[in-house]
Order: sequence, then C-alpha cells, then structure tokens
Amino acid sequence: DGGITQSPKYLFRKEGQNVTLSCEQNLNHDAMYWYRQDPGQGLRLIYYSQIVNDFQKGDIAEGYSVSREKKESFPLTVTSAQKNPTAFYLCASSSRLAGGRGQFFGPGTRLTVL
Amino acid sequence: DQQVKQNSPSLSVQEGRISILNCDYTNSMFDYFLWYKKYPAEGPTFLISISSIKDKNEDGRFTVFLNKSAKHLSLHIVPSQPGDSAVYFCAASRRDSNYQLIWGAGTKLIIKP
Repeated sequence: DGGITQSPKYLFRKEGQNVTLSCEQNLNHDAMYWYRQDPGQGLRLIYYSQIVNDFQKGDIAEGYSVSREKKESFPLTVTSAQKNPTAFYLCASSSRLAGGRGQFFGPGTRLTVL
Repeated sequence: DQQVKQNSPSLSVQEGRISILNCDYTNSMFDYFLWYKKYPAEGPTFLISISSIKDKNEDGRFTVFLNKSAKHLSLHIVPSQPGDSAVYFCAASRRDSNYQLIWGAGTKLIIKP
C-alpha cells in the first residue's frame, strides 16, 4: 500500500519549544513538499526538496527548517522563531517528471502551540 | 498578492443539481491548473486538471472549463452527490516553476439532500 504518512495527527507544544513533524513516503517519489494551511486560506509552501540532500525555501520558510537525508523522509522542524506556529501542516510528494503538478498529500498534522 | 482567487468561501447546492465552483487568476504565466478536493482533517486529493492549451477537460461527473482571456476557470459537478461535500481548492502552475503550485483559498461545497 503506497502512500504518505504524517505523524502525529495532533500535536501540542508549549510556546518556545521546537517541534519536529514527521513525513514518510513509500511512493519512490523524488520530490517532497511541506505546506501550511490556515483557516480561510490556501496552502502555502514552506519548503520543498527535489532530491536527497537538497531543498529550497518556499514562500514562508522563516521559522522552519527541514532535512532530506533519505528519499523517503522529509521532516519539518517548527522552531521557536516561528511567530504563529499553530496551523495544519501538510506534506506532499511527487515524481520528478510530474513535479508540482502531480502531488500526493499526506493526512496532515494539526499543531497547536499553547 | 493573491494570484489565485476563489471568491466564494462556500456554496450550497441541492443533491442532483449542478455545482459550479469558480476560480480567477492574475498571472498570465500560469499554464496548468488543478482542482483538489479536501475533507476535514485530511490531505487534499487530486480531482482534475487542465492545460492552458485546452479550454475544457472532462472526467466523469467533473468538467473543468478554462477561459484564458478572462483568466477564469470553473469546475462543474453534475449531478452533485452528498459525497461531494468538501472544500475544493483551485491551484495553478507556471511552466518556469515546475515544483510550485499557487493555491486559492478554497470553496466549501455543501450538498443538501
């Protein structure tokens, strides 16, 4: 069963703490993405990675960091520098050929910072 | 600067009737458009897409129309079914930025029985 998994589904953290969101895919996709969704807004791109050991900033990268040490995994760290971290976070992946036009999404992680 | 706009936050349609969801864009460099469907607390799933070289694409109950001169696209669902109740996102892609999609804010479609 190929797909994308994100864990945990719900995450609570205290203000000032860093937190890492997990994203794993077994679709053999080269590209992976992290988005943030806020109520009443579209998805906004945080970071994306086209290949292992390489990643690029999206539109709202400030306060976030990523790594891409393995093809299957693209964890996102929400740092204490992110001013409004409470949001719904979505991970996606795509083949290199399809690029952004062929993205498959995980179920998302809802992060609440108290 | 919202390059992709979905001006209707919500839409209510009777079951069996046609649902029409609209999307406007401002960037003439967009050459590919996609519609995604999203249920609460889940990730979006791809529904249908259209290239800028076409003006219509159909897949079962779903048809997307593109009017390039008006920079407008619409998604038609006919007949509407209860399972179609979801948030629908329009997204656009540029040929020179293969990995990035620009997303609209979404329209919540409610199908009434």
